[in-house]
Amino acid sequence: SQQGEEDPQALSIQEGENATMNCSYKTSINNLQWYRQNSGRGLVHLILIRSNEREKHSGRLRVTLDTSKKSSSLLITASRAADTASYFCATDGAGTASKLTFGTGTRLQVTL
Amino acid sequence: DADVTQTPRNRITKTGKRIMLECSQTKGHDRMYWYRQDPGLGLRLIYYSFDVKDINKGEISDGYSVSRQAQAKFSLSLESAIPNQTALYFCATSDRTGSGNQPQHFGDGTRLSIL
Repeated sequence: SQQGEEDPQALSIQEGENATMNCSYKTSINNLQWYRQNSGRGLVHLILIRSNEREKHSGRLRVTLDTSKKSSSLLITASRAADTASYFCATDGAGTASKLTFGTGTRLQVTL
Repeated sequence: DADVTQTPRNRITKTGKRIMLECSQTKGHDRMYWYRQDPGLGLRLIYYSFDVKDINKGEISDGYSVSRQAQAKFSLSLESAIPNQTALYFCATSDRTGSGNQPQHFGDGTRLSIL
């Protein structure tokens, strides 16, 4: 069963706009990770945020974590057509023997 | 060269056949994983291995088996393939960690179709 659920399932924006994706999870976590998947390719790690962190930045990416609400968001600023991909959150649940549980993903389409 | 290499990239086979998917890595990581991806279901963990002598079942291990031949090699077998095992299969690796998971590094997947 999926620990993380992304919202929305699909998002279509124009180049230059910001894209926000949300992830909700059910149990306590050690950390939460975001991954990107281009069509037909493997997942690529984007960013990791630990349970004691509230916000993290990496280039045009901003991730927030609210452990009281069991939710995280991924913001991509000034989106580009090359950002078109599926984005997944993955939780490292406390006491889960170091396994990641992936959500179902948000499909982002960035048009010119 | 890719750090995590999966072979084959595509495979079409018939129900009842035995199939082996192979994964090799040059990252020097101890931990290796096999996932399957189905549309709308995200990734589900089949098996994982934290070192050569450690094999663990994941969420959906029924119908699958694995072998960790070396630190760098982790293969997934379908003993008698059935159509609902048609999916995209991914191998991933991660480094040993003191607390919490490190990022995982994925191969480009094997697209498996079972007729």
